[in-house]
Amino acid sequence: NAGVMQNPRHLVRRRGQEARLRCSPMKGHSHVYWYRQLPEEGLKFMVYLQKENIIDESGMPKERFSAEFPKEGPSILRIQQVVRGDSAAYFCASSSGQGGSYEQYFGPGTRLTVT
Amino acid sequence: AQKVTQAQTEISVVEKEDVTLDCVYETRDTTYYLFWYKQPPSGELVFLIRRNSFDEQNEISGRYSWNFQKSTSSFNFTITASQVVDSAVYFCAFCPPNTGNQFYFGTGTSLTVIP
Repeated sequence: NAGVMQNPRHLVRRRGQEARLRCSPMKGHSHVYWYRQLPEEGLKFMVYLQKENIIDESGMPKERFSAEFPKEGPSILRIQQVVRGDSAAYFCASSSGQGGSYEQYFGPGTRLTVT
Repeated sequence: AQKVTQAQTEISVVEKEDVTLDCVYETRDTTYYLFWYKQPPSGELVFLIRRNSFDEQNEISGRYSWNFQKSTSSFNFTITASQVVDSAVYFCAFCPPNTGNQFYFGTGTSLTVIP
């Protein structure tokens, strides 16, 4: 039973480069969530997707950030022209349904460092 | 607006002591879900428990127990006879019923169990 997979686990980018973070949900899960954890802070919601649809992106910064969950393949969180403030741990979670009655299972996270 | 407060930033206890981690939430919703997650030093998030607002029964799972008090909007977590492996950051989270798209996390409590 594979859990939520994220890769890479660690990513180093120079300012101005692009970062692509991948998330494969648990088998049978079609709901994906992305969260960001800044150093010594809790997780902050970014975006919620179902296959081929962005359902809620209320937590996404308006610029440079985008997310997708294609019909085939992993969900991708893309950060263009990274800045130092983007350095954080990015967690992906998946669930089998929408709403609080479904646990969100988290991946191990991708730690992004912008130099 | 939803808000989760974990007032204890860091706690240290000696092995075998009991410890309670506090969680207080704010909401106007009458139905909702509450969660606890553990984040060990390795960084992944481990689901511990989900509680819906209709169920105020306390729950015990081995050395872990949870005390949900809707009247005081609290969902506290107690570890009995703590062990070194319990050292981690513990997050309380809230999920509203209507959107159910995102979890609101507290800032976490870092627990250190000293051998």
